[in-house]
Amino acid sequence: SYDLTQPPSLSVSPGQTATITCSGDQLGDKFISWYQQKAGQSPVVVIYLDNKRPSGVPDRFSGSNSGTTATLTISGTQAMDEAHYYCQAWDSATVVFGGGTKLTVL
Amino acid sequence: QITLKESGPTVVQPTQTLTLTCTFSGFSLSTTGVGVGWIRQPPGKALEWLAIIYWDDDKRYSPSLKGRLTITKDTSKNQVVLLMTNVDPMDTATYYCVHKGPRPQNWFDPWGQGSLVTVSA
Repeated sequence: SYDLTQPPSLSVSPGQTATITCSGDQLGDKFISWYQQKAGQSPVVVIYLDNKRPSGVPDRFSGSNSGTTATLTISGTQAMDEAHYYCQAWDSATVVFGGGTKLTVL
Repeated sequence: QITLKESGPTVVQPTQTLTLTCTFSGFSLSTTGVGVGWIRQPPGKALEWLAIIYWDDDKRYSPSLKGRLTITKDTSKNQVVLLMTNVDPMDTATYYCVHKGPRPQNWFDPWGQGSLVTVSA
């Protein structure tokens, strides 16, 4: 089975840049989506097709994907960005999620 | 506006079959390329994809759960049903219903509010 690996946690100070990674075999050959899940809420997509941002998502969110690593970058992190973040890819017509990264803004 | 809502039992006994229904609006599951899927999340744990059904009745399942899952659709009722057989306390989770649009959309948007199911005697 195909696996996506994320760091379990990341802490940043307000205003700093948060970089969340997602690793997988030849991941750069796939399209990656990123989801934000705040406490008690359903996940929401913040990046799709590696680096596209849905309308309504702040431009401080950006994404990239190359080689074996996809990256979600949050520039100028705000307290409201504190959440769990999950990467997602397709493999053989099935879906795989990363284990999630808890982003703490303190 | 697309919305999805999950419904089903809140408590299920071990070894029973869990039946979850997703009722949606704002799109048609007869539109080419559209799919509706199920994703679950045990308390405090990560998301786990379960299954998806497409407009043409193509169905895909999680390899780790394939033998226990059945997904069906009723296009006229705008509903998708997920059956999970022989449930176990490890199946305790919030179950989400999700929309996948036609290509190039390969992400899930939006998600339902989720339905918490507890497996317990």
